[in-house]
Amino acid sequence: GAVVSQHPSWVICKSGTSVKIECRSLDFQATTMFWYRQFPKQSLMLMATSNEGSKATYEQGVEKDKFLINHASLTLSTLTVTSAHPEDSSFYICSAETGTGQETQYFGPGTRLLVL
Amino acid sequence: QKEVEQDPGPLSVPEGAIVSLNCTYSNSAFQYFMWYRQYSRKGPELLMYTYSSGNKEDGRFTAQVDKSSKYISLFIRDSQPSDSATYLCAMKSQAGTALIFGKGTTLSVSS
Repeated sequence: GAVVSQHPSWVICKSGTSVKIECRSLDFQATTMFWYRQFPKQSLMLMATSNEGSKATYEQGVEKDKFLINHASLTLSTLTVTSAHPEDSSFYICSAETGTGQETQYFGPGTRLLVL
Repeated sequence: QKEVEQDPGPLSVPEGAIVSLNCTYSNSAFQYFMWYRQYSRKGPELLMYTYSSGNKEDGRFTAQVDKSSKYISLFIRDSQPSDSATYLCAMKSQAGTALIFGKGTTLSVSS
């Protein structure tokens, strides 16, 4: 299957700092990528949908100025958590759609963020 | 009513058992159906993909979609302890849109 990577896999930062998470499709081009966050023992919550070269579409209740998403190429999307606070601590996962006609989505391994 | 309903379990079975996991949905526009397996602290792993109605088999896994009943299933034959994970059903209506997930069913297979 298609491979999606995320970096870093985990990060600890101080409150008030910004953190950037990268999502890469390694062996395919992804016109559409998605960002989710997941709290313990809960399902994935969609944060935003990003298409290469255009602004991301954010879900209701997700602050676009706090969670900056950039999808500059067909293989890379980034999520920047600006001025992070402890309540932003979570598991962030990206996924990429292959667009091969099967419309399957492959997920990255996730990034665990802890804000102190 | 939520768009996708999935019993969270937990579901505990002995090794070798046949496992049946199910989801129901309300949106008749859904036509792409997927099952993911997620281990603790890992990203979801795609197990099965089905377009529209029908059955699909891959090794010990069989996925079924019944659009008339708005019901999808995942069967796991000869379950193994390594199958212990959370299983998420997911679906969407068209390309480029986000998946709608069920809450996930936690499965435990004991040896």
